[in-house]
Amino acid sequence: GAGVSQTPSNKVTEKGKYVELRCDPISGHTALYWYRQSLGQGPEFLIYFQGTGAADDSGLPNDRFFAVRPEGSVSTLKIQRTERGDSAVYLCASSPGTAGNSPLHFGNGTRLTVT
Amino acid sequence: GENVEQHPSTLSVQEGDSAVIKCTYSDSASNYFPWYKQELGKGPQLIIDIRSNVGEKKDQRIAVTLNKTAKHFSLHITETQPEDSAVYFCAAPTTNSGYALNFGKGTSLLVTP
Repeated sequence: GAGVSQTPSNKVTEKGKYVELRCDPISGHTALYWYRQSLGQGPEFLIYFQGTGAADDSGLPNDRFFAVRPEGSVSTLKIQRTERGDSAVYLCASSPGTAGNSPLHFGNGTRLTVT
Repeated sequence: GENVEQHPSTLSVQEGDSAVIKCTYSDSASNYFPWYKQELGKGPQLIIDIRSNVGEKKDQRIAVTLNKTAKHFSLHITETQPEDSAVYFCAAPTTNSGYALNFGKGTSLLVTP
């Protein structure tokens, strides 16, 4: 079956611009997660949704980052006034169960480069 | 993540040998421990996981052991093959992220023929 789909696969933007990253989870998965991965590091938790609501957004680095999941399926991660330090691979994952007790299924990520 | 430590950061073995990667965690409430394999340009893929009610789980050449008292768990790969070369991550849920998984920094495994 279809896995987690992330678009675009690559995004290059200029410092100060606004970007949106999209995630299509596996159908029926109620939980959706956003992680950020810098080169040579493990995925860093940003936010997770249970249904439409953000169950925990404690990993968002600052108020330039925001994510939505209005219908409990597709999610969009939004970054305002991008900075060079935002350059990383942004990973999305979905899960059929609740956080902490079921496996995450990851997409291949969006590689964001801020010039 | 700061709550999950993983060692070693790099590991090189000869084909056919075993590889062991270890992780420690700090949140005693954690009860689910997955291992992921990541190949270049792809997202992490689950290879095995264990829950806190068991001490060991095997799946063909891969096994995971858990010591809840000591708060550490390990990945064991036997009869390694070149296609096992990848970056491996351990993870554990922590209360400071609403029980979302926190990941270790990864182990880059190289299996040489």
